[in-house]
Amino acid sequence: QVQVVESGGGVVQPGRYLRLSCVVSGLSFSSYAVHWVRQAPGAGLEWVAVISSDGTKKYYGDSMKGRFTISRDNSKNTLYLQMSSLRAEDTALYYCARDCCSGHEGWGPGYWGQGALVTVSS
Amino acid sequence: DIVMTQTPLSSPVTLGQPASISCRSSQSLVHSDGNTYLSWLQQRPGQPPRLLIYTISNRFSGVPDRFSGSGAGTDFTLKISRVEAEDVGVYYCMQVTQIPYTFGQGTKLEIK
Repeated sequence: QVQVVESGGGVVQPGRYLRLSCVVSGLSFSSYAVHWVRQAPGAGLEWVAVISSDGTKKYYGDSMKGRFTISRDNSKNTLYLQMSSLRAEDTALYYCARDCCSGHEGWGPGYWGQGALVTVSS
Repeated sequence: DIVMTQTPLSSPVTLGQPASISCRSSQSLVHSDGNTYLSWLQQRPGQPPRLLIYTISNRFSGVPDRFSGSGAGTDFTLKISRVEAEDVGVYYCMQVTQIPYTFGQGTKLEIK
């Protein structure tokens, strides 16, 4: 069955780094763009980043540029998010979502995981 | 950045009655390839979001046909023909036309 599973969340001090992973199974992975989307406690959704199917195109939200790096390993059906210089306002549930459709870096995030909680606190 | 504005922010609805949510973008969402990448997502309490509609009006896999999307340019609407109890949650529009992609602030659908 379809599974999207994030891991790597936890509590981290401000200014430190953390790497999230997301494994997709039961679905084609290498032909689709994949997104990271986050949700702070009690807040709405915020788009974080997207990576093209072949990994050559990477795009970020404004507050993530220069601090977050998205990458993928199609041989392992795995997506990554390297986060550095973390701030308290980065505290959120981070979702991985495979795009619904192929051929464009974002038709709509169609297959979601349950999320990985990142808490930035001293 | 494109700002997505949803109305209303809260919508109390009677079971079996229709519901409608509007979403307006600060710029046209027509992409250079001719498509309009406007999606609707549902987030039930305690659950991850779920894609309902993409490119204005295409229902995603498994989405009931009581959900429909319409609109063009900068104005879009999600309609639920007959609200069921399982439809309670927060609904978001999302533009995937221009980087950075952006969400609306969310509309909370609740039962009267």
